[in-house]
Amino acid sequence: GQNIDQPTEMTATEGAIVQINCTYQTSGFNGLFWYQQHAGEAPTFLSYNVLDGLEEKGRFSSFLSRSKGYSYLLLKELQMKDSASYLCASIDSNYQLIWGAGTKLIIKP
Amino acid sequence: IAGITQAPTSQILAAGRRMTLRCTQDMRHNAMYWYRQDLGLGLRLIHYSNTAGTTGKGEVPDGYSVSRANTDDFPLTLASAVPSQTSVYFCASSPIAGDTDTQYFGPGTRLTVL
Repeated sequence: GQNIDQPTEMTATEGAIVQINCTYQTSGFNGLFWYQQHAGEAPTFLSYNVLDGLEEKGRFSSFLSRSKGYSYLLLKELQMKDSASYLCASIDSNYQLIWGAGTKLIIKP
Repeated sequence: IAGITQAPTSQILAAGRRMTLRCTQDMRHNAMYWYRQDLGLGLRLIHYSNTAGTTGKGEVPDGYSVSRANTDDFPLTLASAVPSQTSVYFCASSPIAGDTDTQYFGPGTRLTVL
């Protein structure tokens, strides 16, 4: 079966760094997305990886290892507004998105 | 204003009633999607449309129907609502179907079926 695993909840301190992990098992692989979703709002795009390695975009970076079926989202210099859920989604061989349940990130002052 | 709109924002519905959730996008995207989001579960695809005039079933299509008469609109209908359909419903679109394009989401409809 197809499966995306990510931690349910994480807590971090303002100004610190946090890494949110995601492991995936999908039939075929055509890339992995990270989305951010604030409470009561729609998901918004953060990053897309299809090749191995780290992609940096400001305070946010995303890493992919295809051989390990593993990705992580790295958030630096955490701000209170980063409190949100972070959704990992893998694209399978049919180009359908398989979504994880999301990781709720709580930022404390 | 470019983007996706959904209506209504929220709705309380008696079981057995028929309900249509509306979704409109003005980005001229070819592909559109309907998801439901439940606590503790990932977004689950209900139905999708790769282009106007075509639709397909997603992971959880039972009890729902869609139509795609034109590029902009993609309504979702619950023919006879049941309490298990209580959820937050998101409509999304992407420029090209079957591709790795980013999906853009509407603000969601919170539906409660009693």
